Amino acid sequence: DAMVIQNPRYQVTQFGKPVTLSCSQTLNHNVMYWYQQKSSQAPKLLFHYYDKDFNNEADTPDNFQSRRPNTSFCFLDIRSPGLGDAAMYLCATSRDGAGGRGNQPQHFGDGTRLSIL
Amino acid sequence: GNSVTQMEGPVTLSEEAFLTINCTYTATGYPSLFWYVQYPGEGLQLLLKATKADDKGSNKGFEATYRKETTSFHLEKGSVQVSDSAVYFCALGLLQGAQKLVFGQGTRLTINP
Repeated sequence: DAMVIQNPRYQVTQFGKPVTLSCSQTLNHNVMYWYQQKSSQAPKLLFHYYDKDFNNEADTPDNFQSRRPNTSFCFLDIRSPGLGDAAMYLCATSRDGAGGRGNQPQHFGDGTRLSIL
Repeated sequence: GNSVTQMEGPVTLSEEAFLTINCTYTATGYPSLFWYVQYPGEGLQLLLKATKADDKGSNKGFEATYRKETTSFHLEKGSVQVSDSAVYFCALGLLQGAQKLVFGQGTRLTINP
């Protein structure tokens, strides 16, 4: 089935040690998103790629970076993880919003739960 | 600005009870509205959507109607099951370059047998 796949499901890293989370999709969607979700909270958008164009949210810390080498893959890099970065990281995709009203749903992966030691 | 306010949880019901989770929104422009469901340890799944006023979205026995006059998109189900236990997020979608979602805070639902 076409889907959004995130690897790994669980990631443990040390304080300050760079970590990369990956996301792949078989939906051929042109937009890919990264969200951070902390316990009992709504997902918070970090950034998205519209095709090859990177769009950062204003309040996303510089510690978070992203790469999209091709349509199917997108990576989230955390350069120096702090304890406050422990969270679930969700990748999502969508098609370009036809009709100009943002009416296309986003398709989410199952997330990567990041723990910081 | 754009925002979504959901009924505070947690909500606990018995199996076969009637469910309503309230959702109201504030938006500039003409948003689409979504309900997403998140089961423990998983990502968000689209439950239903409505793209214009008076549209009704429905799926798996859940329904919600886009009410522009009351800026609401309340989620309802006539008879809940234990398997419906999850966190439910109401969201509005706006096109700002790409589609952007604005989420409510989520409502945790627990169904007891």
